Amino acid sequence: DGGITQSPKYLFRKEGQNVTLSCEQNLNHDAMYWYRQDPGQGLRLIYYSQIVNDFQKGDIAEGYSVSREKKESFPLTVTSAQKNPTAFYLCASWDRRNQPQHFGDGTRLSIL
Amino acid sequence: QKEVEQNSGPLSVPEGAIASLNCTYSDRGSQSFFWYRQYSGKSPELIMFIYSNGDKEDGRFTAQLNKASQYVSLLIRDSQPSDSATYLCAAPAGGGGGNKLTFGTGTQLKVEL
Repeated sequence: DGGITQSPKYLFRKEGQNVTLSCEQNLNHDAMYWYRQDPGQGLRLIYYSQIVNDFQKGDIAEGYSVSREKKESFPLTVTSAQKNPTAFYLCASWDRRNQPQHFGDGTRLSIL
Repeated sequence: QKEVEQNSGPLSVPEGAIASLNCTYSDRGSQSFFWYRQYSGKSPELIMFIYSNGDKEDGRFTAQLNKASQYVSLLIRDSQPSDSATYLCAAPAGGGGGNKLTFGTGTQLKVEL
């Protein structure tokens, strides 16, 4: 089945540690997105990529980094510079022929 | 002013009633709007999108768009307990392209037996 796969489902980070969240899609979508959701809040855009080897900062990019080496993959690294990383992280993708964005199942990140 | 605003609720309706969820937006140039349903602990699921003024119906769901008044609403007829969730309204974020979306904070709906 085509879809967006995020892993792991749960992730714990130690102080000073970088962690990487995986997002893979087999929908052949051009654009991919990373959002962060805090309890009782809407989604805030961290980074997005419209094409391979290109990405742009969203509204809250500080403390995060991404890469887009393959069309299928858009990993997000939460660096030690992100002082409040505890949140629900959602990856989405989009195809020009199918306007709405669709989401993966999310990764819940907590601090140890 | 936030780009997309929703009443956080909770909105409580009895089973079988019509639930009405509202969303206002600030960018007059927005052309498309999306409603996502999010169950607790889960990712958002697209349920409706609308581009044109007026109503769009899909089963028990109706999306209504009024561009002059800058609001979009979602009606859920014959509400069921399984409709209890948070409903997120989204609109394209201004500038930069890339089909970025701005989300409201969501309205929590509770359908009571």
